[in-house]
Amino acid sequence: SQTIHQWPATLVQPVGSPLSLECTVEGTSNPNLYWYRQAAGRGLQLLFYSVGIGQISSEVPQNLSASRPQDRQFILSSKKLLLSDSGFYLCAWSVSYEQFFGPGTRLTVL
Amino acid sequence: QKEVEQDPGPLSVPEGAIVSLNCTYSNSAFQYFMWYRQYSRKGPELLMYTYSSGNKEDGRFTAQVDKSSKYISLFIRDSQPSDSATYLCSCYSNYQLIWGAGTKLIIKP
Repeated sequence: SQTIHQWPATLVQPVGSPLSLECTVEGTSNPNLYWYRQAAGRGLQLLFYSVGIGQISSEVPQNLSASRPQDRQFILSSKKLLLSDSGFYLCAWSVSYEQFFGPGTRLTVL
Repeated sequence: QKEVEQDPGPLSVPEGAIVSLNCTYSNSAFQYFMWYRQYSRKGPELLMYTYSSGNKEDGRFTAQVDKSSKYISLFIRDSQPSDSATYLCSCYSNYQLIWGAGTKLIIKP
């Protein structure tokens, strides 16, 4: 069966510090991968998606970037965090129309 | 106008009631429609999906799509306190899911 991992589960970072969140998927090949952000009490905002290694599409201009160095690995990064980057970050995978989510990373920028 | 509209609630009902959650969408090209459930501080989990118009039933849950009115519904029968969560509707388009804002549902014991 397929499993998706995200880490860390929670993170508190100062403004201006770098960020690296990692997501890995097991049990499937060539999945589509997604990064979402969810502000408190809000819906899901798609940040990036990838249909293959090295292929990244950005949905929202911001100070975040994403990379897909391996088929089942998706990384979300920032060089300098802003207060507005606080939120719940979710990674998801799909091979068709259904998406399956990881447990999320709660990021607080102080 | 957002592509998928959903009332954020909260919607509070007594235990045992029938719950109706709804979304509207604007793009007539959408063919797949999904409902996700999200508990507090957890990732969303897929509840049900439907293809095109029609109904789909799974236990106490029924998903309904009316493409003529661009209306998506989720019905929960015999609601339980454990059903308290945020319910998100979404429509599939070109590798992506277009999301509603989510409705927070509270089932009172």
